[in-house]
Amino acid sequence: EDQVTQSPEALRLQEGESSSLNCSYTVSGLRGLFWYRQDPGKGPEFLFTLYSAGEEKEKERLKATLTKKESFLHITAPKPEDSATYLCAVQAPATNKLIFGTGTLLAVQP
Amino acid sequence: DGGITQSPKYLFRKEGQNVTLSCEQNLNHDAMYWYRQDPGQGLRLIYYSQIVNDFQKGDIAEGYSVSREKKESFPLTVTSAQKNPTAFYLCASSRGAGANVLTFGAGSRLTVL
Repeated sequence: EDQVTQSPEALRLQEGESSSLNCSYTVSGLRGLFWYRQDPGKGPEFLFTLYSAGEEKEKERLKATLTKKESFLHITAPKPEDSATYLCAVQAPATNKLIFGTGTLLAVQP
Repeated sequence: DGGITQSPKYLFRKEGQNVTLSCEQNLNHDAMYWYRQDPGQGLRLIYYSQIVNDFQKGDIAEGYSVSREKKESFPLTVTSAQKNPTAFYLCASSRGAGANVLTFGAGSRLTVL
């Protein structure tokens, strides 16, 4: 069964304290892995798409990486405005539908 | 600016009532989707439409209905048959079928009293 698991469920960091969020997946024939950011009470906002193992994408303090079994979202020197829920999703090859993880709630304290 | 507009933002409903959530996009996207978000669960697909006048059931379609009469619009009706309708509902769109960079609306929160 295609599945996406995100860890940790919640993460509290001090401003400037770098860390990583994990997204592990089981899907045969990955067609794409997606990272979204969601602020409270709002819709998710697209961050990155990764397609093959070894691929990396960067945007400001965020860097996404991909292996054959998992993806990491690295946050370097985070600021309070990085506080949000980060969602990971994979594209199921048979249906093209997205399978979402439950997200990681990140809180960055000043 | 292009985007997706969902309305209403908040909706309260009595048990036994049908309610319709609006979703309008001006991105000229072909595909549109409805997701449901509950605490501790990933987004779950309710219905999707890849072209006007056509739509398919997602993973949790029971108790919901949709229509796609115009490219820009994809309303969702939550019927009285939906056993647990209280949730945050998200509408999304993408350029075409299989194009899965989704643009989301701001969501509609439905509460059943």
